[in-house]
Amino acid sequence: QSVLTQPPSVSGAPGQKVTISCTGNSFNIGAGYDVHWYQQFPGTAPRLLIYGDNNRPVGVPDRLSASKSGTSASLAISGLQAEDEADYHCQSYDRSLNRYVFGGGTRVTVL
Amino acid sequence: QVHLVQSGAEVRESGASVKISCKASGYTFSDYYMHWIRQAPGQGLEWMGIINPSGGTINYAPKFQGRVTMTRDSATNTVYMALDSLTSEDTAVYFCARGLAAYVPSTYFSYWGQGTLVTVSS
Repeated sequence: QSVLTQPPSVSGAPGQKVTISCTGNSFNIGAGYDVHWYQQFPGTAPRLLIYGDNNRPVGVPDRLSASKSGTSASLAISGLQAEDEADYHCQSYDRSLNRYVFGGGTRVTVL
Repeated sequence: QVHLVQSGAEVRESGASVKISCKASGYTFSDYYMHWIRQAPGQGLEWMGIINPSGGTINYAPKFQGRVTMTRDSATNTVYMALDSLTSEDTAVYFCARGLAAYVPSTYFSYWGQGTLVTVSS
């Protein structure tokens, strides 16, 4: 069972906006630790999408954005495209567990 | 261009050990910490530990303490992860991932190896 909680799946039609939540507690996200997001296609390694709450590495389109409030964070994908169909993982740090923690991953399906 | 290339898939019987390698290129090996992260079939990602390629800092997640050993070879820019006393619950894809230049809570993983599947049969 993952320390950070994500919905197993979200879906949307092409062009729509979907949002993925990542819920933690006062020892991780709520303690102010950065939240990072990764995209993963089946059978491949994760790819960094967002770091430091809402910073995009070079090459990540600006239709992906993230936010954080309290003990939760979220990733928004606007203008949904077929190529966005993948798994998305959030990651942070937990001071009670003294380790980096992940969400269970969310499968995005483009209808 | 940063590359992390891992060794190939492994099959072990329950109780055995496995050692996986991760060869880095395209950057100064000693400048960035390396992490190991695993993913069981159909599951999320799980952080296992961190090693400083310059030597010194090695820290393991409590779950793996006593069973995992992370080492590095600076001559070949390679880090290794050995896991002992394998059970079927250790069946997973194991990734090396480059962190930051320091061991800090804000760490994220910019580059990943391609993954190594370890299958443990009971």
